[in-house]
Amino acid sequence: AQKITQTQPGMFVQEKEAVTLDCTYDTSDPSYGLFWYKQPSSGEMIFLIYQGSYDQQNATEGRYSLNFQKARKSANLVISASQLGDSAMYFCAMREGYGGATNKLIFGTGTLLAVQP
Amino acid sequence: NAGVTQTPKFQVLKTGQSMTLQCAQDMNHEYMSWYRQDPGMGLRLIHYSVGAGITDQGEVPNGYNVSRSTTEDFPLRLLSAAPSQTSVYFCASSFRQGYGYTFGSGTRLTVV
Repeated sequence: AQKITQTQPGMFVQEKEAVTLDCTYDTSDPSYGLFWYKQPSSGEMIFLIYQGSYDQQNATEGRYSLNFQKARKSANLVISASQLGDSAMYFCAMREGYGGATNKLIFGTGTLLAVQP
Repeated sequence: NAGVTQTPKFQVLKTGQSMTLQCAQDMNHEYMSWYRQDPGMGLRLIHYSVGAGITDQGEVPNGYNVSRSTTEDFPLRLLSAAPSQTSVYFCASSFRQGYGYTFGSGTRLTVV
């Protein structure tokens, strides 16, 4: 069964520094997608970045990059030059298959990031 | 475009009451799903639908009912509310062949 593990319940980072949020996954499907979402205190879910299992390069979106290590089944989120507005809960998620029968998205338990001035 | 619209935003129920959480999307997404979010547990899938007339159970379906009579709407029914159903509920939708999921703003439900 597919599973997402986020082992860091909470993290602190100084403003302008980089931070890495850990995510490991487990799946037997060779085709899958990995997502990171941000949830600020206001509660909405904000899509940050996506990595497909067959993508050759690590995904990047502005200050966000995904360190995808397929053999280790890890998909860590790297936030460069942290800003106070980055303080939020961050969720890693996985979808097995692509355009498959279910398109289900499975989430980890999240990491609460606090950016300090 | 409104995206995914959830109503109500807040609701307080008494134990045993029933209610329906509404979810509507205007993006012609085939796939819709309901999640509940509890502290320390992330988002857990309740029910999902891959198209009108097709629904299936997720990880935590007990106590909830869904139907999908149209592409746009995917209501979640609580049959007999219990305090254990106190949670924040999110509806999400996506194209079946795509990878982008759009979430609603959530419904905060308290059962007393």
